[in-house]
Parts: sequence; C-alpha cells; structure tokens
Amino acid sequence: AQKVTQAQTEISVVEKEDVTLDCVYETRDTTYYLFWYKQPPSGELVFLIRRNSFDEQNEISGRYSWNFQKSTSSFNFTITASQVVDSAVYFCALSEASGFKTIFGAGTRLFVKA
Amino acid sequence: GAVVSQHPSRVICKSGTSVKIECRSLDFQATTMFWYRQFPKQSLMLMATSNEGSKATYEQGVEKDKFLINHASLTLSTLTVTSAHPEDSSFYICSARKAVSSYEQYFGPGTRLTVT
Repeated sequence: AQKVTQAQTEISVVEKEDVTLDCVYETRDTTYYLFWYKQPPSGELVFLIRRNSFDEQNEISGRYSWNFQKSTSSFNFTITASQVVDSAVYFCALSEASGFKTIFGAGTRLFVKA
Repeated sequence: GAVVSQHPSRVICKSGTSVKIECRSLDFQATTMFWYRQFPKQSLMLMATSNEGSKATYEQGVEKDKFLINHASLTLSTLTVTSAHPEDSSFYICSARKAVSSYEQYFGPGTRLTVT
C-alpha cells in the first residue's frame, strides 16, 4: 500500500530564512511519481513539481529546490530566503504506476513572518 | 494549457437537500476525473475515480448512494451530494487526467460546501 508521511504539521520561520519541508513515502511499485503542491488560503492547489522514480536528479527552480533520495524514500522540499507569500500549506503526494491514484500527505502548514 | 473549472465555488444549502457540483476540463478531454474531499486543516482524501462512460470507483468508506458521480462526457463530471447533512460540509476538489497513461492531474479550484 502507498503512504506519504509529512511529519511536520506546522513550521514557523522569519522572512529570509531557509526552510525544508520533509516528505517520506512508502510504495511497493518500482515506477511511481512524486509531487509537491502548494495550497494558499484561497484553497486552490498549485502544482510545484513532479518527479518520477527513475530520475533522482535534484532540481532547483528559483528559490525552490527538491532533494529526491530513493535510498531513504524521501522527497524533501527547500525554500531558500523565504517570503511572506510562501505562507501556505504544502502537500507531498505519490502516484503509483499500478493504480494512477494520487495519495496526499497530511500537509505542512508554513508560516513566514515578516 | 490545462484548465479545470468547478461550479459553484461556494454553496450553502439546508440539511436534507441535494447539491450538484460540476467539474469541467476546459481545454482538454479528460479520460479520468477524480473527486477529493478536504476537511478544515486536513489533507485531501480521494473519494472516487470517475471514468467517462462508466461507473465511478469509490474509495473504501465513501457512500456511493450519497455521493453520486456522473462522468457523461470527456469534459464534464458531476458530484451530487444527496440529502446533505452538516457533516458533509467540506471543501470538494476535482482533478482531471488527460490520457490513460498520464500521471499528470490538473486540479480544479474547489467548491466549498456548507450545510446548515
């Protein structure tokens, strides 16, 4: 069975600090996709990144970076020089090749204070 | 692009009435649509998977007679909450997948349902 664990329920940082959001997943499939989504107070999900299980390259997009490590089943997300606009709930999610369903972690609520 | 819309964005209804929520893929054909429910400060929970022209597949614990899903065309899926009760108040989000083999899901903006 697939599972996504985001152990950090809430994180509070001061603007310009770096922050890392943890994500640990479980799956029996060898082919799967991992995602990160941002959910601002409006509620609409914003897609941030997708990574397939065969691509362990880390990725950087502006202030965002992702560290995918299959050995530890982790897909962590780092925001560099955080800003108030980064305040939101961030979800890590997993889709297995066998079912195409997407399972979400519990989410991490990030507060960035000015 | 790949845009998914939901209508209405917010709805308030009285207990015992039924509410229909529409999910539309505006610029692509969606072979599969998914319905999620999100309670306050909780994660998204998959309710059902809807394939065009066939019956929806419901997740364990979701009452199919209460949450009626219809996917009549490749661009429209509807979720009807029948005989709604206050505990059905939630944020309902749909997503759509472009092709059978695609892992990419495009999410709608969500519908906030309040049952009084």
